[in-house]
Amino acid sequence: DVKVTQSSRYLVKRTGEKVFLECVQDMDHENMFWYRQDPGLGLRLIYFSYDVKMKEKGDIPEGYSVSREKKERFSLILESASTNQTSMYLCASSEGGQNYGYTFGSGTRLTVV
Amino acid sequence: AQSVTQLDSQVPVFEEAPVELRCNYSSSVSVYLFWYVQYPNQGLQLLLKYLSGSTLVKGINGFEAEFNKSQTSFHLRKPSVHISDTAEYFCAVTPRGGAQKLVFGQGTRLTINP
Repeated sequence: DVKVTQSSRYLVKRTGEKVFLECVQDMDHENMFWYRQDPGLGLRLIYFSYDVKMKEKGDIPEGYSVSREKKERFSLILESASTNQTSMYLCASSEGGQNYGYTFGSGTRLTVV
Repeated sequence: AQSVTQLDSQVPVFEEAPVELRCNYSSSVSVYLFWYVQYPNQGLQLLLKYLSGSTLVKGINGFEAEFNKSQTSFHLRKPSVHISDTAEYFCAVTPRGGAQKLVFGQGTRLTINP
């Protein structure tokens, strides 16, 4: 069964810490995405990547960065965590082309205290 | 740019009743449309998608949606709901031929009462 795996289900971090959220897909997909999910706001795109070492800003990139050194792994980095970054983070991948098939991970619920 | 509006944040219905979850979108270019479901403590699962062809799209779990270009809508329907349909539902769009970024609505929480 194809998968997008997020390394942590729950994380609690302190304000000012550098936080890494990891996402790995086993489908050889070209595209990978990081979304943030908040009640009443739906999912908002933080960053996406359409190839190794390529990245593009989404709608809410401030306070975040990303890394894609290998095709299967897409990392989200909070340079200095703040309480307003407490949220559910969802990773997704898609194979590109005309399929438009996305696969989502189960999410990481991050709490910044 | 695209935007998606889900007109109801919460929809309570009784078991075996029909349900419609409403979705409107705005875009200056043609789009593909999607409905996703999120069960408690899980990621998103695709219910159905409209890429081309018939405007009535059938998905999993007995759901269907109809694309109405003139009204820029993509409402989701099910003729008879079950307790297991309790979940949050998201409508999403992406521009045709673009970078495949999904733009999501705010979500509709569907609650099924026995």
